[in-house]
Amino acid sequence: SQELEQSPQSLIVQEGKNLTINCTSSKTLYGLYWYKQKYGEGLIFLMMLQKGGEEKSHEKITAKLDEKKQQSSLHITASQPSHAGIYLCGAATIYNFNKFYFGSGTKLNVKP
Amino acid sequence: NAGVTQTPKFQVLKTGQSMTLQCAQDMNHEYMSWYRQDPGMGLRLIHYSVGAGITDQGEVPNGYNVSRSTTEDFPLRLLSAAPSQTSVYFCASSYEGGGPNEQFFGPGTRLTVL
Repeated sequence: SQELEQSPQSLIVQEGKNLTINCTSSKTLYGLYWYKQKYGEGLIFLMMLQKGGEEKSHEKITAKLDEKKQQSSLHITASQPSHAGIYLCGAATIYNFNKFYFGSGTKLNVKP
Repeated sequence: NAGVTQTPKFQVLKTGQSMTLQCAQDMNHEYMSWYRQDPGMGLRLIHYSVGAGITDQGEVPNGYNVSRSTTEDFPLRLLSAAPSQTSVYFCASSYEGGGPNEQFFGPGTRLTVL
């Protein structure tokens, strides 16, 4: 959506390398969510961030929220083939926290 | 718990036909929503509901109708299908709308309109 810009659109990394995916909102955030989608399947919730400066981790995946920049980054350390998939950021804004927007997604391939 | 279930998994329609995509959840969630996913465009919100009897439009509501007569079910109706509605449709639910709540997604319905 135009409300959420996600970058890069696609990423190919060698196994063991680190990578970062960014998500920027054009509106003031109420909450930001990261999801992973395996090709042809539904979405799996990774984590949710709500407070500026908040940082959460799930296994080797860490997400941070920069409230001033209305931006979140998702960082994967020591990538593995199991990390491959589409990563989507989603958000609700303060204008209507019942209306969710999603970024266009980042396709991640991890080469063994 | 079955979580969020969607039927059918696949559907092919001809232009002008109508159909209903079914969505059900057994988690007693108040908030339910429908999204469509098109290549390169992420998910776009079609309609959402914050409880039985309450629905509202999302980002791309045209051509779709919804109703919420029970907490468990949130069907999506295509009144007159168009090729532009070819997409993958996802239903989701959460305990409450917005806020710090995880949305649980169904497996999706892949719809092709010829």
